[in-house]
Amino acid sequence: KNEVEQSPQNLTAQEGEFITINCSYSVGISALHWLQQHPGGGIVSLFMLSSGKKKHGRLIATINIQEKHSSLHITASHPRDSAVYICAVNPRTGTASKLTFGTGTRLQVTL
Amino acid sequence: NAGVTQTPKFQVLKTGQSMTLQCAQDMNHEYMSWYRQDPGMGLRLIHYSVGAGITDQGEVPNGYNVSRSTTEDFPLRLLSAAPSQTSVYFCASREVGTTSNTGELFFGEGSRLTVL
Repeated sequence: KNEVEQSPQNLTAQEGEFITINCSYSVGISALHWLQQHPGGGIVSLFMLSSGKKKHGRLIATINIQEKHSSLHITASHPRDSAVYICAVNPRTGTASKLTFGTGTRLQVTL
Repeated sequence: NAGVTQTPKFQVLKTGQSMTLQCAQDMNHEYMSWYRQDPGMGLRLIHYSVGAGITDQGEVPNGYNVSRSTTEDFPLRLLSAAPSQTSVYFCASREVGTTSNTGELFFGEGSRLTVL
């Protein structure tokens, strides 16, 4: 079992829909990252959080440390949101940031 | 600022050839790392560095060498390429942070390597 599990693996939505991507992890962490990767493109950091909730534009990330769970929400989705969304965690123990990554959620938003 | 710059973006090698993937950052980040991304798998850490002169192995270090002579540069060397090293490689950097374990990640655009 991977230390970081994302669901769903694939997601198709129509423009305007509210989208939720989930990330569960099994170790104690100091931080969790949400990343975005467009097809053929680089990887961009969306959020880094260790508690509570963060919002940037139409994106909202929440984390529940006790339940070892985080969600990424996209409101009013748009075709340009089509990308792979990756969850990664900084384990609390161990040397400097051996991040553990989920395998990603592939999102396609259609017109 | 350029951020994290990786070169080349594409490379085809024959088995046994050697090459170096270049990575440079202009944000004065102490932490730099190399990952490989393969289909169906999460990013896996190859090597990382927490400062000039300091490097350490990640999850999949075999077949790769690194060095960190300056804060800005962190090249990844393939000594004798194998087909199993066909992958997309990403360089990333971040500030070490007060807890030595946090800090926003900045990635390069990736290098697609094919080994025939």
